[in-house]
Amino acid sequence: DTGVSQDPRHKITKRGQNVTFRCDPISEHNRLYWYRQTLGQGPEFLTYFQNEAQLEKSRLLSDRFSAERPKGSFSTLEIQRTEQGDSAMYLCASSLTTESTDTQYFGPGTRLTVL
Amino acid sequence: AQKVTQAQTEISVVEKEDVTLDCVYETRDTTYYLFWYKQPPSGELVFLIRRNSFDEQNEISGRYSWNFQKSTSSFNFTITASQVVDSAVYFCALSAPRSGTYKYIFGTGTRLKVLA
Repeated sequence: DTGVSQDPRHKITKRGQNVTFRCDPISEHNRLYWYRQTLGQGPEFLTYFQNEAQLEKSRLLSDRFSAERPKGSFSTLEIQRTEQGDSAMYLCASSLTTESTDTQYFGPGTRLTVL
Repeated sequence: AQKVTQAQTEISVVEKEDVTLDCVYETRDTTYYLFWYKQPPSGELVFLIRRNSFDEQNEISGRYSWNFQKSTSSFNFTITASQVVDSAVYFCALSAPRSGTYKYIFGTGTRLKVLA
């Protein structure tokens, strides 16, 4: 049973460039989440999907950010016109819906550095 | 509003010492869930435990134990006989799905250094 995987693990880009990250959840999990973590802070929620539907977006997700989960399996997070403030670790998590709540399992993250 | 506070930024202990990591939470929801995750230097968040708001029983798993007290809104984590491999950042998190969201609210984490 493989866990959540993310690609790439590291990305260095120049300010103004677009970047795209990919997340592959645990195979039977129907929910997928994106979080952002800056140095010395806990993860902050960005958005989540249930199957292919994007059900919640944080105010942190500016219009330069877009996320998709086209077939309810993998997801992509795109950042357009990157800014230095976008430098962070981007974490993906997945969960299986239960009657009570989900336990989210996290991937290794993609560390983005914007120069 | 929901909030998680981990007041201890960093703790250093010598191997074999016991250590307690504090977590205080705020929520108006009566049904909620609390979590602890470990983040080693590799960066991946590793799930440790989930606790329901209606179950105040303490839990022990090997060297790890958790003390949940609704009266003080705390969910503390104790490592007994710490080991160097326990060195990591530990995060406490809160989820209140009946408020319409499944997101987790994380604290700022406590960095634990276990010295040999």
